[in-house]
Amino acid sequence: GAVVSQHPSRVICKSGTSVKIECRSLDFQATTMFWYRQFPKQSLMLMATSNEGSKATYEQGVEKDKFLINHASLTLSTLTVTSAHPEDSSFYICSAGTGGPEAFFGQGTRLTVV
Amino acid sequence: QKEVEQNSGPLSVPEGAIASLNCTYSDRGSQSFFWYRQYSGKSPELIMSIYSNGDKEDGRFTAQLNKASQYVSLLIRDSQPSDSATYLCAVLPSGGSYIPTFGRGTSLIVHP
Repeated sequence: GAVVSQHPSRVICKSGTSVKIECRSLDFQATTMFWYRQFPKQSLMLMATSNEGSKATYEQGVEKDKFLINHASLTLSTLTVTSAHPEDSSFYICSAGTGGPEAFFGQGTRLTVV
Repeated sequence: QKEVEQNSGPLSVPEGAIASLNCTYSDRGSQSFFWYRQYSGKSPELIMSIYSNGDKEDGRFTAQLNKASQYVSLLIRDSQPSDSATYLCAVLPSGGSYIPTFGRGTSLIVHP
């Protein structure tokens, strides 16, 4: 399958700071990337869908000013958690589509806000 | 609202047995179905995709699709302890969207 690399895998930050998470498709061009959040023992929750060169589409209840998504190229999308608070602590996962129905996940980022 | 239902489990099977994981979906027009495996603390990994009615086999894994019953299943033959994970069913909605709907996942435990 296609390879999606997500970085960092773990990050601890202080409350009020911002954290940027990168998602790269290594061997294909990702026309669409998805950002998910997953709390312990819960299923994936889609946060937003990003398409290269256009604004991200956020799911209902997700604050676009808090979770900034940039999809500047066909191989890179970033999620910035701004002014992070302890309740933002979660497992953030990106996935990328090749233009077909299949999507491939990055390794995920475990964010802890202290 | 499109829904994908899975029994959360845990499903416990002995090593060497067949594990059967089930998933139902509400969107009758869905055409694309996926099974992902997620180990604890890791991200999901695509293990099977199926688009046509019937069975699709890949090694020890068999996906089964019945669109009339809106039912998709995953069979794991000769289950191994390393198969212990949460299995997520994902369905693409009708209408051409590539945004999947995920089930909550079934936890599988394969005990020696």
